[in-house]
Amino acid sequence: SAVISQKPSRDICQRGTSLTIQCQVDSQVTMMFWYRQQPGQSLTLIATANQGSEATYESGFVIDKFPISRPNLTFSTLTVSNMSPEDSSIYLCSVERGQGYGYTFGSGTRLTVV
Amino acid sequence: GQSLEQPSEVTAVEGAIVQINCTYQTSGFYGLSWYQQHDGGAPTFLSYNALDGLEETGRFSSFLSRSDSYGYLLLQELQMKDSASYFCAVRRGSTLGRLYFGRGTQLTVWP
Repeated sequence: SAVISQKPSRDICQRGTSLTIQCQVDSQVTMMFWYRQQPGQSLTLIATANQGSEATYESGFVIDKFPISRPNLTFSTLTVSNMSPEDSSIYLCSVERGQGYGYTFGSGTRLTVV
Repeated sequence: GQSLEQPSEVTAVEGAIVQINCTYQTSGFYGLSWYQQHDGGAPTFLSYNALDGLEETGRFSSFLSRSDSYGYLLLQELQMKDSASYFCAVRRGSTLGRLYFGRGTQLTVWP
C-alpha cells in the first residue's frame, strides 16, 4: 500500500501569512486529495489534484485561498493563503490505493493561526 | 451534494459487539467505506462495500444496502484499543473517486 510523507507535522503561523504543506507518495498515483479536519469534526474534502491539470475544488473552497500544485505523479502541495484563525485545522492529503482498497492518508499538518 | 448520518457516540464493554449505523443521501454513489481514527492520528481504512451484502475482515464486518441507502460497521470482541472515532464515507465517481465523510462516531470501550 502507498506510504505518504506529509510535512510539516504542525505549525503556528501569524494571521495574514501563508503556509505550504507538502505530500510525497512512495508510488505514482493519478489523483491526490486534500482534506481539512477541524478538531473533533469530520473530514471535509478541499480539492482533488490531478497531475498536469488544475485542481478541482469543492464547494466553499477556492483556488486563491488554497492553491495546489501537482508537478508530478508522486508529489503535491497545498498552500493555505492569507491565513486567519478560522483556518486553524488539521490538513491531510490522501491517495486511493485502488477501488475497493481504501484511501491512505498522510499523518496530517496541525495548523494554528494566531 | 451528499449527506451522511451516523450516531455521534457509542459505548460498550470489552468483549461486546457494537454496530455503528450510517445512512446516506448522495448522487453518483460508488460505494461506502469505513475508517478508524485514533486521537491525534490519521484515518485508517477498515472496509469498503460497493455491492449489497456483508464484508468480513477479522473482527470487523461491514454491510451495505443500496436500496435503503444504509450501511453499518459491526465490531466484534471489542478491545480497549478499539476506542476511536469511526467514520463512514461515500465514494462518488468511478474514475474521480472522491470520498465524503460522515461526522464520525466516537466509540468508547470500557474494561
